[in-house]
Amino acid sequence: DGGITQSPKYLFRKEGQNVTLSCEQNLNHDAMYWYRQDPGQGLRLIYYSQIVNDFQKGDIAEGYSVSREKKESFPLTVTSAQKNPTAFYLCASSISGGLAYGYTFGSGTRLTVV
Amino acid sequence: DAKTTQPPSMDCAEGRAANLPCNHSTISGNEYVYWYRQIHSQGPQYIIHGLKNNETNEMASLIITEDRKSSTLILPHATLRDTAVYYCIALEAGSYQLTFGKGTKLSVIP
Repeated sequence: DGGITQSPKYLFRKEGQNVTLSCEQNLNHDAMYWYRQDPGQGLRLIYYSQIVNDFQKGDIAEGYSVSREKKESFPLTVTSAQKNPTAFYLCASSISGGLAYGYTFGSGTRLTVV
Repeated sequence: DAKTTQPPSMDCAEGRAANLPCNHSTISGNEYVYWYRQIHSQGPQYIIHGLKNNETNEMASLIITEDRKSSTLILPHATLRDTAVYYCIALEAGSYQLTFGKGTKLSVIP
């Protein structure tokens, strides 16, 4: 079945450590996205990538980094510079062209930093 | 992109129609209205979108006012599985910056 896989579902890290969240898709989508969701809030865009080897900052990119070396993969690194990293992280993909009706989301990774 | 305003919460009796309003008074001519929903702790799911005309699919209907300043998402026969947060988004065609506000938490009551 085609879809987006995020792993792990739950992740615990100590404060000051970098952590990388995985996102893989087999939908042959060109565009991929990372979102952050805090309790009772909407989703905020961290980074997005329209094509391999290219990515742009979203609204809250500070303290995060990404890479897009393969079409299928868009890992997100939460660095120690991110002041409040504990959150629910969602990855999404879409066919190219900014078609907002065609987003497919993963099931999310819940990151807790202690 | 235009800002949208939605009520924070609504209740609906199971089997009845759920009508979820959205205000987007500053929407521009090339901005579409999109609706997504998010069931607890899952990723959002696309429901429907439209520009000027009313739209219907197997999930819902979208009614957009003639002046495009507001819209209503209609779930014709709400079930318990429709309990979710519903997001209304106004976004320019071709934009990659799809973001989600707080939405409306719909509770379907048995």
